[in-house]
Amino acid sequence: QQQVRQSPQSLTVWEGGTTVLTCSYEDSTFNYFPWYQQFPGEGPALLISILSVSDKKEDGRFTTFFNKREKKLSLHIIDSQPGDSATYFCAASGNQGGSAKLIFGEGTKLTVSS
Amino acid sequence: EAAVTQSPRNKVAVTGGKVTLSCNQTNNHNNMYWYRQDTGHGLRLIHYSYGAGSTEKGDIPDGYKASRPSQENFSLILELATPSQTSVYFCASGRGANQDTQYFGPGTRLLVL
Repeated sequence: QQQVRQSPQSLTVWEGGTTVLTCSYEDSTFNYFPWYQQFPGEGPALLISILSVSDKKEDGRFTTFFNKREKKLSLHIIDSQPGDSATYFCAASGNQGGSAKLIFGEGTKLTVSS
Repeated sequence: EAAVTQSPRNKVAVTGGKVTLSCNQTNNHNNMYWYRQDTGHGLRLIHYSYGAGSTEKGDIPDGYKASRPSQENFSLILELATPSQTSVYFCASGRGANQDTQYFGPGTRLLVL
């Protein structure tokens, strides 16, 4: 049972365009939502994260939005670059007594074409 | 210098054989995690640990054991490997606090024939 759903599974955008990735979740106790970026042959690495008390967080060309009422979040990449080509995972967690377990979405493979 | 390392990076095993995947971290983190990554499923948690001597079941523990002999090392053991365990396995470490970052290793690609 996938508690965090991510779409689309894959996406191709032109260099300079805007990329939008989306996630939805089910558990209303989730309060932390990181996005991880994974390049081929490497492990995932934290890209940006947001807490449920916020609705937007920005880091350079990357912005994540959070909608608590709809249980949805999104990642926007402006001025997308070929170097952004990677697989992106959204994840979620709540207060779990020190385990800090993350529930990951299925991932979106992004290709930025020049 | 890489803070989370995994060995081997690639492994071919036979069905019914025993496989041990190793992970080492130099972050001095309390928590360590083992995930498998499969297309369409993302990353799924197999086992995790709060510290040396501790192992806990994750979301898909069946067919896997884990061992945490020290703060730095965390192993994943497949006692009787099956083709369905063909996957890419990732180890990660974290401080264990809520809203904490997990730091991943480079992965081990396992093929069970």
